[in-house]
This record gives sequence, C-alpha cells and structure tokens, in this order.
Amino acid sequence: SQQGEEDPQALSIQEGENATMNCSYKTSINNLQWYRQNSGRGLVHLILIRSNEREKHSGRLRVTLDTSKKSSSLLITASRAADTASYFCAVVNDYKLSFGAGTTVTVRA
Amino acid sequence: DTEVTQTPKHLVMGMTNKKSLKCEQHMGHRAMYWYKQKAKKPPELMFVYSYEKLSINESVPSRFSPECPNSSLLNLHLHALQPEDSALYLCASSQGSEAFFGQGTRLTVV
Repeated sequence: SQQGEEDPQALSIQEGENATMNCSYKTSINNLQWYRQNSGRGLVHLILIRSNEREKHSGRLRVTLDTSKKSSSLLITASRAADTASYFCAVVNDYKLSFGAGTTVTVRA
Repeated sequence: DTEVTQTPKHLVMGMTNKKSLKCEQHMGHRAMYWYKQKAKKPPELMFVYSYEKLSINESVPSRFSPECPNSSLLNLHLHALQPEDSALYLCASSQGSEAFFGQGTRLTVV
C-alpha cells in the first residue's frame, strides 16, 4: 500500500517562481526520499532525509521533515522549464520503498 | 557505473504468450525491486529481492514470476497476462538508501 500521500496533485507555475509540495505518511520510517519522473520513464533520486533530520538542502531543493506530524515538504526554488515533471515522495521501512501519489509540476516559460 | 539497464524498452504480447523482462545493475547493490506503474499513478511495489532471495511479494498474481539468477540480474517472467496488466514495469536497485531506477519496460498486453 502507498504510505506517502502528496498534495497538491498538480501545480502550474511561472518560470522563476518557487514550487512547494507536501507529503504525509502513516507509519514510522527510516528515511524519506524525493524522486522526479519525466514523461513516464525512470525515476531519478533527488534527495534523502533521515528520520533524525529536520531540514536538508541540495542545490535549488529544500526538504523538511516533521516526524511528529508525519509530513515532509519539497521546495524547488527559482524553477526552470526543465523542472517540469512528476515528483514523488517515498518512505523507507526496512527494504520496502513505497511511493506517494505524486505531484505533477508544470513550469511555464 | 550507476546505471540500471532494463530490456526490452517496449513489449507487446498476447494473453497466451510467455515473455521475460530483464534488469541488470553492476553497482553491487544488495536489494533489487520490481515496480508496476499505471498512467498518472505512482509506482506500486511488486517484489523485493535482498541478497538474491525474495524477501517481499506484495500479493502479486502468480502470472508474474520473479527470478534473481545472480546479484547483478533480475528477471520478471510473464505468462498468461491480462490486458489490465499493461503498464510501465520499473526495476530498481539499492544499497539501503537511495534507489536507482531503470528506464522501464512499457508493456502492452493484447
């Protein structure tokens, strides 16, 4: 079953704006990860945040994790057309990597 | 080499056919996964292999049969599939943290 649920389902923004998406999960986790998928092909790992971390940065990406609320957010700053993709959070429990419903982001030029 | 290679990229098969999907990684990862993804949906976990042994089967119908011949290879044998099994099948590998995905096999069952 899917443990991570995301909102919004879809997001349309202008190039240069920031995009924020949220993920909630149900059970305890070892870590939470975010992935990007272009055009229904393979997923690309973006960032991993461990259960004892609260915030992490990687380039234009910022991820937060609130284990008390079982939620995480992904912020993409200064978006570009190339950021147009589907973004999924994934929770890890032992070897089980389960994905949320995903947010489809469209960046308009 | 951080690639996971899946073959074929596309597959069309009849409901009476037997076919196999293949996945290969040379990163020494101990865990390998099969996922199924329908259009506009997230990937759904099917199987997990850990150290070449099947550790998780998410109640997948027996017409899907996984096989891990060695630590670098993962196969998914398909037999008597239904049209609703048409989907993108993704393979991934992991050493416990981030997962590396192949580009998937787009399967159409006719």
